[in-house]
Amino acid sequence: DVKVTQSSRYLVKRTGEKVFLECVQDMDHENMFWYRQDPGLGLRLIYFSYDVKMKEKGDIPEGYSVSREKKERFSLILESASTNQTSMYLCASRTADRAQYFGPGTRLTVL
Amino acid sequence: EDQVTQSPEALRLQEGESSSLNCSYTVSGLRGLFWYRQDPGKGPEFLFTLYSAGEEKEKERLKATLTKKESFLHITAPKPEDSATYLCAPNSNSGYALNFGKGTSLLVTP
Repeated sequence: DVKVTQSSRYLVKRTGEKVFLECVQDMDHENMFWYRQDPGLGLRLIYFSYDVKMKEKGDIPEGYSVSREKKERFSLILESASTNQTSMYLCASRTADRAQYFGPGTRLTVL
Repeated sequence: EDQVTQSPEALRLQEGESSSLNCSYTVSGLRGLFWYRQDPGKGPEFLFTLYSAGEEKEKERLKATLTKKESFLHITAPKPEDSATYLCAPNSNSGYALNFGKGTSLLVTP
């Protein structure tokens, strides 16, 4: 079974803090994704990575950056957290037939 | 641009009352479709991959079907534990990412 883990289930940060969200997959997948999910807006793609050190912007990259130094690990960084970044953050890893497997999610609250 | 629409947005069923959820899409180069289940506060859980029109997949009380323009998730004799949001995502030739629908929120009452 594909396993995707995320570093925290719940996180509370203050405005202006730098926030790191980590994601690890154990299936040697090349492609990994970060989404945020908000009520009524569905899943929105922030960034994805198609190989180590390779990344592409998704639909809503503003205010975020990513890092992928190792194949199994994909990090999402909020350089200076703002209240409008309060959301559920979901990481996914993709198989060869393009099915995505998701982690449990991180519920981030920015005060 | 690929578009995905799921209907209804919300559905309330009584236990044992069968129904269907719809996923319609406009995509270039359709290569199949994925269905997911998402429980509140959790990440989406992969259910099915459908690869071509006419294909069907089953898992317990769920059966997914695929045509060229839409997919259905049929729920037969649902139970309260089937309550969740169901998401679909067409698999197309356009890019790395999937375009997810906004989901159907299903509530099954005893």
